[in-house]
Amino acid sequence: IAGITQAPTSQILAAGRRMTLRCTQDMRHNAMYWYRQDLGLGLRLIHYSNTAGTTGKGEVPDGYSVSRANTDDFPLTLASAVPSQTSVYFCASSEQRDTGELFFGEGSRLTVL
Amino acid sequence: GQNIDQPTEMTATEGAIVQINCTYQTSGFNGLFWYQQHAGEAPTFLSYNVLDGLEEKGRFSSFLSRSKGYSYLLLKELQMKDSASYLCAVVDSNYQLIWGAGTKLIIKP
Repeated sequence: IAGITQAPTSQILAAGRRMTLRCTQDMRHNAMYWYRQDLGLGLRLIHYSNTAGTTGKGEVPDGYSVSRANTDDFPLTLASAVPSQTSVYFCASSEQRDTGELFFGEGSRLTVL
Repeated sequence: GQNIDQPTEMTATEGAIVQINCTYQTSGFNGLFWYQQHAGEAPTFLSYNVLDGLEEKGRFSSFLSRSKGYSYLLLKELQMKDSASYLCAVVDSNYQLIWGAGTKLIIKP
């Protein structure tokens, strides 16, 4: 069982470029999340999805967009990357939103130059 | 605002016991999680408390006092592999997870 798979694991990107981070889960969880993790700060929620077909904004949504066309996939898109988006990005899922254990992907380390 | 406070870093000796504290001020409370995160890896679930008291799971125990807005994670018989960051997270009244910045635990031989 793979759990949650993220791709790419690492990427260096020029400012202004468009980038999509992919996330796939095989646990049939309803809820999915994108977090960013920066040194000295807690995990910050970017966007979430309670169930397929719905999405919502988290704490730091600006500059990011998501879609949830089906249960398994939850891609995160940076339309025009900026250096402040340099971070480690974690995709996570749970059976229901914020009421149970989160399962995390291995993370995507993104550097915007 | 909502706030989760944890010490930034702690050091302990292999074989010893360490207690990592977490205090919170949130709009409501619907549970508290502890996660472990090794350097360069994803967080993994350790424990969940929603009622006051101590939950024991092997070498790890987690305590909650809702009236004091306080929790701790107790690690016994420390092993080198316990070197990691420990993240405290609270579920608020809107069922949103509020995360602390994490406590980096360094284990010395």
